[in-house]
Amino acid sequence: NAGVTQTPKFQVLKTGQSMTLQCAQDMNHNSMYWYRQDPGMGLRLIYYSASEGTTDKGEVPNGYNVSRLNKREFSLRLESAAPSQTSVYFCASTELGAEQYFGPGTRLTVT
Amino acid sequence: RKEVEQDPGPFNVPEGATVAFNCTYSNSASQSFFWYRQDCRKEPKLLMSVYSSGNEDGRFTAQLNRASQYISLLIRDSKLSDSATYLCVAPSRNFNKFYFGSGTKLNVKP
Repeated sequence: NAGVTQTPKFQVLKTGQSMTLQCAQDMNHNSMYWYRQDPGMGLRLIYYSASEGTTDKGEVPNGYNVSRLNKREFSLRLESAAPSQTSVYFCASTELGAEQYFGPGTRLTVT
Repeated sequence: RKEVEQDPGPFNVPEGATVAFNCTYSNSASQSFFWYRQDCRKEPKLLMSVYSSGNEDGRFTAQLNRASQYISLLIRDSKLSDSATYLCVAPSRNFNKFYFGSGTKLNVKP
């Protein structure tokens, strides 16, 4: 089992460029999440999808959009990257209330 | 007030020591909690789930104090390999979201 996979692992963008972070899980989980992690800040929820076809804002949604493409895949898009979006991005999945499984993360730098 | 709060540390302890971390939560209706371990530049991984009063797994014990709204993680006989950041997590009321503490850093030294 691959669990949760994320692509790319690393990315450098210039201010104003756009990109999509991809996430897929093979555990048949209904719920999927996107977090960002900055030094000393812990994990902050950007968006989540409680089930296929639904998405909701988390704590820090500004500057991001998401798509729950199907039950397996949940993508995060930055339409116009800003230096404040330099961070490590983690995708996670779970069944309701149970343990979350995380992907290996995407390290994004915006210059 | 944050949903989940932790002492950031770092806790610097010698091998073999016993160390305890606390985590406070704000939602008195929360029924379950999690401790995750995160190594440097890696993804968080589940260490323990905490339901009802607590849980024990080898050298690790997690306890829940509902009256004071905190959970604790006790590590006995610390190993060098226990050095990591420990994240406390509480689900939202409807279990749709999870609230993470900012993490407690542990350094176990020889």
